[in-house]
Amino acid sequence: SQTIHQWPATLVQPVGSPLSLECTVEGTSNPNLYWYRQAAGRGLQLLFYSVGIGQISSEVPQNLSASRPQDRQFILSSKKLLLSDSGFYLCAWMASFSTDTQYFGPGTRLTVL
Amino acid sequence: GDSVTQMEGPVTLSEEAFLTINCTYTATGYPSLFWYVQYPGEGLQLLLKATKADDKGSNKGFEATYRKETTSFHLEKGSVQVSDSAVYFCALFHTGTASKLTFGTGTRLQVTL
Repeated sequence: SQTIHQWPATLVQPVGSPLSLECTVEGTSNPNLYWYRQAAGRGLQLLFYSVGIGQISSEVPQNLSASRPQDRQFILSSKKLLLSDSGFYLCAWMASFSTDTQYFGPGTRLTVL
Repeated sequence: GDSVTQMEGPVTLSEEAFLTINCTYTATGYPSLFWYVQYPGEGLQLLLKATKADDKGSNKGFEATYRKETTSFHLEKGSVQVSDSAVYFCALFHTGTASKLTFGTGTRLQVTL
């Protein structure tokens, strides 16, 4: 069966520091991968999605970036964090274009101080 | 563009009460519709889905029917439990694209003894 991992689970970082969040999926090949952010008390905002290695689409311009160095690995990065980057970051995967269901990881709670 | 509107919470119910969380959508074509649940501190779990008009999704006692004529996908449960306390998200997705789920803002359910 497929599983999705995210780490770290929680992170506290100072303003201006770099960020790297990692997501990996097991048990499937060539998944579509997604990064969402959930700000406190709000819904989910899609940040990036990827349909293959090196292919990244950005939904919202900001100081975050994403990379997909391997088929089942998706990384969210920032060079300099802002206070507004605080939130709950969720990675999700979907099998292919022919399916319609996204499955979410456990999330990373990021607090920028 | 696509949008999903959910009733605002929080919804507070006593155990064994009947639950309805309203969800309506705006979209072109025939999207798939979903309910996800988020327990405190966790990622999103797929609760149920429906892929075409008049389909009924069901899981763990929860049900929702895809109503094309009213563009709705209301979530219901006949008898809630304390363990159902969570945030519930309605969402839609167009099969055949790699892009995002469109989420509602979420409805917090609190079930008390």
